[in-house]
Amino acid sequence: QSVLTQPPSVSEAPGQRVTISCSGSSSNIGNNAVNWYQHLPGKAPKLLIYFDDLLPSGASDRLSASKSGTSASLAISGLQSEDEADYYCASWDDSLNAWVFGGGTRLTVL
Amino acid sequence: QVQLVQSGPEVKKPGASVKVSCKTSGYTFTKYGISWVRQAPGQGLEWMGWTSGYNGNTNYAQTFQGRVTLTTDASTSTGYMELRSLRSDDTAVYYCARGRAVASTFDYWGQGTLVTVSS
Repeated sequence: QSVLTQPPSVSEAPGQRVTISCSGSSSNIGNNAVNWYQHLPGKAPKLLIYFDDLLPSGASDRLSASKSGTSASLAISGLQSEDEADYYCASWDDSLNAWVFGGGTRLTVL
Repeated sequence: QVQLVQSGPEVKKPGASVKVSCKTSGYTFTKYGISWVRQAPGQGLEWMGWTSGYNGNTNYAQTFQGRVTLTTDASTSTGYMELRSLRSDDTAVYYCARGRAVASTFDYWGQGTLVTVSS
């Protein structure tokens, strides 16, 4: 069982907007930043969002993220087929003294 | 550009050890550390620990404490992960990732190394 909770899957039509949630606790999301990663099979995970809502250089402007309390979310607008991937949230956990991840959300573009 | 290139796939028997390397380039190795994260088949990501590229300091996840050793070689800008007493449930893809400090965002990742543990 993952420490952070994500929905196992989401799906939406091309061009639409989808949101992926990530729920944690006061020892991780509630007190530390959230990062989001995109993972394509056989590839290295890619950083999409850091420090809750910041985009790395070169990241798509179709991405946005937010955090409130012990929950965070990632939004992808203008969905394209190449967005099909697994998405993971991650946060440092002060109690475990470790990075914790969500279980991952498989995005399907219908 | 920043690159982390990992060593090739490994097949090991239960009880054996494995050592995976992560050769980095495109940045000052001693200004960052390396985290190791694994993904077992059909499972999510699991953080194993972090080691400093500056002085070799380490932080290990409790799950792996005593069974994993993370090291760095600044002369070759390479990080290493050694996992001992392998079990079948250690079968996974192991990733290295760059991070300034143990609790810092890891921004660049290696391509992954498949370690298969089978008798």
